[in-house]
Amino acid sequence: DVKVTQSSRYLVKRTGEKVFLECVQDMDHENMFWYRQDPGLGLRLIYFSYDVKMKEKGDIPEGYSVSREKKERFSLILESASTNQTSMYLCASSFSWTAPNYGYTFGSGTRLTVV
Amino acid sequence: RKEVEQDPGPFNVPEGATVAFNCTYSNSASQSFFWYRQDCRKEPKLLMSVYSSGNEDGRFTAQLNRASQYISLLIRDSKLSDSATYLCVVNIPDGQNFVFGPGTRLSVLP
Repeated sequence: DVKVTQSSRYLVKRTGEKVFLECVQDMDHENMFWYRQDPGLGLRLIYFSYDVKMKEKGDIPEGYSVSREKKERFSLILESASTNQTSMYLCASSFSWTAPNYGYTFGSGTRLTVV
Repeated sequence: RKEVEQDPGPFNVPEGATVAFNCTYSNSASQSFFWYRQDCRKEPKLLMSVYSSGNEDGRFTAQLNRASQYISLLIRDSKLSDSATYLCVVNIPDGQNFVFGPGTRLSVLP
């Protein structure tokens, strides 16, 4: 089975801290994604990457950056954490969307609280 | 108009009932459609893809209506374990990513 691993299940950080969320997948997927999920707002795409060193902004990239130095790893960076970034962060990966077995596989999520 | 819309529910149904969810999408060029299931405080998991001719997987049936731009999910003989939020997912044409609907919450009651 495809496995997407997020480094932390729960995190508590202070306002202004730089925060790194790590995601690793083990199935050689081309695409990787970072979402945040908030009650009433659903899943919102922050950034995605379809290849090493490539990144594309999603719907809500402000306050975030990403890094994809290796195919299996996609990092989300909060440059200066703020309380409105308190959320559940979900990483996902997939083959190229033209692949017959396309489908997202999600990590188990990181619940980030910024105080 | 939002790209993908769903009735948020909750749908409260008794065990054994049949329940159907609809999802509408705004981009007529969308070509790939999925249903995901998300349990409380867990990550979404792929339930099934939706094919043009409709498809069935056990008690679950998915259908696509391109003319009206909606997809549906039918669950027959509901089980308590079907209680979850069901997310509709639609691709963005010419893009590599997908849009998730807000989800429909289902509670199957004993």
